Formats: sequence, structure tokens, C-alpha cells
Amino acid sequence: GQQLNQSPQSMFIQEGEDVSMNCTSSSIFNTWLWYKQDPGEGPVLLIALYKAGELTSNGRLTAQFGITRKDSFLNISASIPSDVGIYFCAGLAHMDSNYQLIWGAGTKLIIKP
Amino acid sequence: EAQVTQNPRYLITVTGKKLTVTCSQNMNHEYMSWYRQDPGLGLRQIYYSMNVEVTDKGDVPEGYKVSRKEKRNFPLILESPSPNQTSLYFCASTHRTSGTDTQYFGPGTRLTVL
Repeated sequence: GQQLNQSPQSMFIQEGEDVSMNCTSSSIFNTWLWYKQDPGEGPVLLIALYKAGELTSNGRLTAQFGITRKDSFLNISASIPSDVGIYFCAGLAHMDSNYQLIWGAGTKLIIKP
Repeated sequence: EAQVTQNPRYLITVTGKKLTVTCSQNMNHEYMSWYRQDPGLGLRQIYYSMNVEVTDKGDVPEGYKVSRKEKRNFPLILESPSPNQTSLYFCASTHRTSGTDTQYFGPGTRLTVL
């Protein structure tokens, strides 16, 4: 099945640094979603984007829906230890009365002490 | 509290022994789905259901069955599990309104097939 291209695959950063990750696709999406998954838990929705060009913040997190509707990025400012985890992007495509959610492979965030 | 529950959370079984993983949501959502998560592959959709008695295959349906006899429950059935079905499984329930969709995930079921 189709997957989004999510990068980077993993990041090793210092506490306090800003983080940036992105997803790209050859397909157009109606919605972009960003999730975070902690060990042993299911993904939890961080930010949902519904319009091309939309820029949305959730605390230290900021995400944007690309103008072309084929990409999105997530930024985390001033990272803290609890930011560690795996971040997933997901693109939602509506097809007739159906819809399909396509997932990126994830970005693993590790914060160096 | 709005939630998606899965049972069991952990399961070790042997090849060929039928098993069922239950999923239940209390949000009256019509759309539910099952995913498996494997290292480096992210989440892959197994099956989804648009409503009661309406199910369809996702990206990786082979070896799985589902049923949707009532809105709140969406069990995943492995008739004859094989080792390649060892994975972490997530059930998800989707809140759909005009122009927006939000997925809520269960806590996951870690399955090992020996």
C-alpha cells in the first residue's frame, strides 16, 4: 500500500533544541494529521490540518499543511525530555464516499542528556 | 470518558490456533479500523468498517477477518495465525464531521505467534 515519505527517520538532539520533521507525497490529501506515540501506547493526535496553507500551533508544536496539499511539516520548539517518542504523519484522502488514511513510517525523536 | 479499548493487551499463541482481539469504542463512531505496526513500516491498515455490517479490506488484509455486528465493537479475527502475524495491533475509531476527521486509537495489542 501507499505510504508517505516521512523524514528524518530518527533524530538525536540536545534538550532545548528545535526539531523539524516533514512528510511528502505524490498524492493530494484533504487532511494532514500529526500523531505522537509513546512506548507501549497507541498514537495520540497532536495537530490536525484541514486546509492548504493552514498553520496550526499546539503549545510548542507547530504544523503546516503545504500549499500543494502534498506535504506537511511539524516543528517542535525548545524540546524537553517528554518530547521523546515516535511522531507519525498521516494524510487523509477522500475517495467517493470512502476515505483512506495513509501513514508515514514515523520519526523517532531521541533527546541526548 | 471517551475511549477505545482493546483486549487482550498482550497475547502469546502458537501457529494455527484461532484467536480474536476485541475492540470497543464508546463514542458512537461509525468508522473503525484495525492497523498493525511493525518496525520501520509505520502503521498499515488491515481492515476498516464504515458502519455496522459494512467492512472492507485495507492494505494488508491477508490472514485476517473482521466483523461489525454492532456499532461499538469491531473484533479482529485470526483464523490460523502464523509467525509473520507477530506484531503490535491497534484499533482506531474515527470521529467524522463535515471536513474533519479525527482518529482515536486503542492502547494496542502485542501479539506473538510462535
